[in-house]
Amino acid sequence: LAKTTQPISMDSYEGQEVNITCSHNNIATNDYITWYQQFPSQGPRFIIQGYKTKVTNEVASLFIPADRKSSTLSLPRVSLSDTAVYYCLVGEGGGGADGLTFGKGTHLIIQP
Amino acid sequence: DGGITQSPKYLFRKEGQNVTLSCEQNLNHDAMYWYRQDPGQGLRLIYYSQIVNDFQKGDIAEGYSVSREKKESFPLTVTSAQKNPTAFYLCASSSRTNTEAFFGQGTRLTVV
Repeated sequence: LAKTTQPISMDSYEGQEVNITCSHNNIATNDYITWYQQFPSQGPRFIIQGYKTKVTNEVASLFIPADRKSSTLSLPRVSLSDTAVYYCLVGEGGGGADGLTFGKGTHLIIQP
Repeated sequence: DGGITQSPKYLFRKEGQNVTLSCEQNLNHDAMYWYRQDPGQGLRLIYYSQIVNDFQKGDIAEGYSVSREKKESFPLTVTSAQKNPTAFYLCASSSRTNTEAFFGQGTRLTVV
């Protein structure tokens, strides 16, 4: 059973705000929600992490509702360089009993 | 600089040969992970280790082996039992209390 479910792909335009939602209905009490960005032929790069409510850093915001069964990554004013695959990951620190397991990711395509 | 290093970047092997991929980190992380990525696909967990001299199988461990004799090193051996070894292999590390993982640049293995 997949731990997370995300849209396979999304399109947007430069300057727009992009929201990518991830479903994780079976999230456990000790699980954190972490988002990564991956460019072709590179390793994923950490974007943001949260447990509940809202987290914001210099590149993105992460919204987590009270039931924690989903989360939304928000990218403000995207540019062409934000075209990448975005992964939502749910798990304990250090991987816990299952390791850090990635889903299939969302391929975000930004157009001019 | 602190980081995680994979070598080599490209590797070619003949079918039936075992091959070992190197992964070294100087981030003082307890947890290390190996992933396989096929074209257009997400990351699949092969093995992970949360402490020296201990490791666990991930989702696709068959045909692979690992060792964790030192905290800094987590080599992956792709054995001749792996039916489709050609892929992009990624190594990562994290602390035991965090899901923020740091990835190497990957090794692209081609078996001919």
